[in-house]
Amino acid sequence: GENVEQHPSTLSVQEGDSAVIKCTYSDSASNYFPWYKQELGKRPQLIIDIRSNVGEKKDQRIAVTLNKTAKHFSLHITETQPEDSAVYFCAASTSGTYKYIFGTGTRLKVLA
Amino acid sequence: DADVTQTPRNRITKTGKRIMLECSQTKGHDRMYWYRQDPGLGLQLIYYSFDVKDINKGEISDGYSVSRQAQAKFSLSLESAIPNQTALYFCATSTRRGETQYFGPGTRLLVL
Repeated sequence: GENVEQHPSTLSVQEGDSAVIKCTYSDSASNYFPWYKQELGKRPQLIIDIRSNVGEKKDQRIAVTLNKTAKHFSLHITETQPEDSAVYFCAASTSGTYKYIFGTGTRLKVLA
Repeated sequence: DADVTQTPRNRITKTGKRIMLECSQTKGHDRMYWYRQDPGLGLQLIYYSFDVKDINKGEISDGYSVSRQAQAKFSLSLESAIPNQTALYFCATSTRRGETQYFGPGTRLLVL
């Protein structure tokens, strides 16, 4: 069935370094890829998303890249700060359908 | 996001009891979703509703039922709770276009 694989499951970086989280999807019809950040005890919140007609999108220190041929997309966080520590989820979806398929999450720890 | 609310926020119940989790939204969105989150498994879709008359099963609907009482309200019921239904439950909403989903604060359920 459709699935999204996410790696790594945990990631520790020094404050100020960059962090990269990678996801691979199986459904070639997927065309919308959101990333959610979930802080401890809180709800998932959208931080950035990308559609399949775009290869890269940036929002300040956060960027997402998409490779449709390889069916993978990545989250890049530069100049990490302690408040970036959280669990990050990727998802893949097809416009017009209900279906988000979520990755299993990456726990990011930014060490001060 | 205060526009999506869930009650209760925490619930302890016993095996065999019927319980209901409620979700309300003031975003005016047509689509509503119920997810379950277990550690290390990301978010799994239980049920989703495109409008009041359209309710559909997700990936893990066994043991659950839902009711869409109005555009703004979507309830999840556990007919006879069992311990492996202990989890964090999230409600989410989206527009008719169905892309970005907005999550409620979650309900932490413990079944003894």
